[in-house]
Amino acid sequence: DTEVTQTPKHLVMGMTNKKSLKCEQHMGHRAMYWYKQKAKKPPELMFVYSYEKLSINESVPSRFSPECPNSSLLNLHLHALQPEDSALYLCASSHSGLRSTDTQYFGPGTRLTVL
Amino acid sequence: AQKITQTQPGMFVQEKEAVTLDCTYDTSDPSYGLFWYKQPSSGEMIFLIYQGSYDQQNATEGRYSLNFQKARKSANLVISASQLGDSAMYFCAMREGPNNAGNMLTFGGGTRLMVKP
Repeated sequence: DTEVTQTPKHLVMGMTNKKSLKCEQHMGHRAMYWYKQKAKKPPELMFVYSYEKLSINESVPSRFSPECPNSSLLNLHLHALQPEDSALYLCASSHSGLRSTDTQYFGPGTRLTVL
Repeated sequence: AQKITQTQPGMFVQEKEAVTLDCTYDTSDPSYGLFWYKQPSSGEMIFLIYQGSYDQQNATEGRYSLNFQKARKSANLVISASQLGDSAMYFCAMREGPNNAGNMLTFGGGTRLMVKP
């Protein structure tokens, strides 16, 4: 089973709202990732958690706040977003995040629209 | 310089025919991995196939095979017997180094494949 689930599938929010994106995997993976993808572009890495610790933050604005409550769950808290933050947000997981053969498995994504 | 280059923004292929999607990469690291992902219009990135830099044989997974030419730094994806459901965006990606903390992937710009009935 290589399933990564994400909720919600679609989200529309105003610039003053606070919302959260959720990601879950039950593959025993210890590395989890958040990506942002604009239309017709490849995904851009935002955050990496390895063994529940934030290991990479790719200079993401503080209005995006990641959280890894346990090895199976990854959240992305959103606050005071801008319309340009509208995008597809993809979650991924991999075995450990350290081996060259590690394959990242992606979830279906959350399509976010900021009004 | 681009690390992963996909030179075909869009391609058409007739149903049941084979198609090759090009990918060239640039790295000085002797240890790296190459990945192909499929992204249908629904948005999910689906892992297709992996090739390691030290692998002696080309990777195959069902109808997908990877034409790995190390000296040319190319890792083309071959899809045999195309199906309508193969219509999607395809991304080539690379992971460099044996100790790449965070398993960071570098993606190419993608190729949109359209299968004609």
